[in-house]
Amino acid sequence: EAGVAQSPRYKIIEKRQSVAFWCNPISGHATLYWYQQILGQGPKLLIQFQNNGVVDDSQLPKDRFSAERLKGVDSTLKIQPAKLEDSAVYLCASSWGRGRGYTFGSGTRLTVV
Amino acid sequence: QKEVEQNSGPLSVPEGAIASLNCTYSDRVSQSFFWYRQYSGKSPELIMSIYSNGDKEDGRFTAQLNKASQYVSLLIRDSQPSDSATYLCAVTHNYGQNFVFGPGTRLSVLP
Repeated sequence: EAGVAQSPRYKIIEKRQSVAFWCNPISGHATLYWYQQILGQGPKLLIQFQNNGVVDDSQLPKDRFSAERLKGVDSTLKIQPAKLEDSAVYLCASSWGRGRGYTFGSGTRLTVV
Repeated sequence: QKEVEQNSGPLSVPEGAIASLNCTYSDRVSQSFFWYRQYSGKSPELIMSIYSNGDKEDGRFTAQLNKASQYVSLLIRDSQPSDSATYLCAVTHNYGQNFVFGPGTRLSVLP
C-alpha cells in the first residue's frame, strides 16, 4: 500500500511570499487532514476534509491560509502571505474513517525568512 | 478548549528497563486514544490505539486507559536505544472529531 505522498519536502521563502503544499492520501481514504507542527510541539490541526467537504477548519488562519481537496482525492494547502511564525512542518494525514488512526505523510518543512 | 498534556521530558531510561509515558486529557467524552512515535526529523507513526478501560498489549508495548481518571499511559518493556524518540498522545471522539495531540514526551534509552 502506497503511503501518503507530500511535496515538496523542503521550502524556504521570504516573508510575504506565497507557498503551496500538495498531498495525495492513501487510496480509498476518505478523510484527509492538514496539521502544522512547530518545532518542539505536537501537531495542531489546520483543516479536516471528509471526501471533498470541509469538516473542521476552526483553527485555520483564514486570512492567509486556504486549502482545497479536488474531487475528494488530492489536496493543496496554500499560505499567502507567509509570516515568520509560519515556519513549521506541515503534515498531511489520511484515514479511512473519522476517529480512526491516521497515516501521516513525510511532511513539508517550511522556513520563512 | 480540549487539552492533552504530557510531560515533555526528556525521560531517560537504561537499555532493558521499562519506560513509562503518561498522558492526561481534559475532555471527559473522549473515546479514542492513540500513541504515536516520532523520530527526529520524521513524521509521526501510529504504534498503539486503545478504546476501552484497561490494558492493551502489542509486543513490547502496553497501553493503559483509565477514563475515570482521564489518563492514558504507554509502557515500553525491554527498552532499546532504537526506542529513543518523541511519543505523542492523541485523543478524539469516535466519530466526527479530529485528533488533539499532546506536546509529546521525549524518550532517551541509554545503552
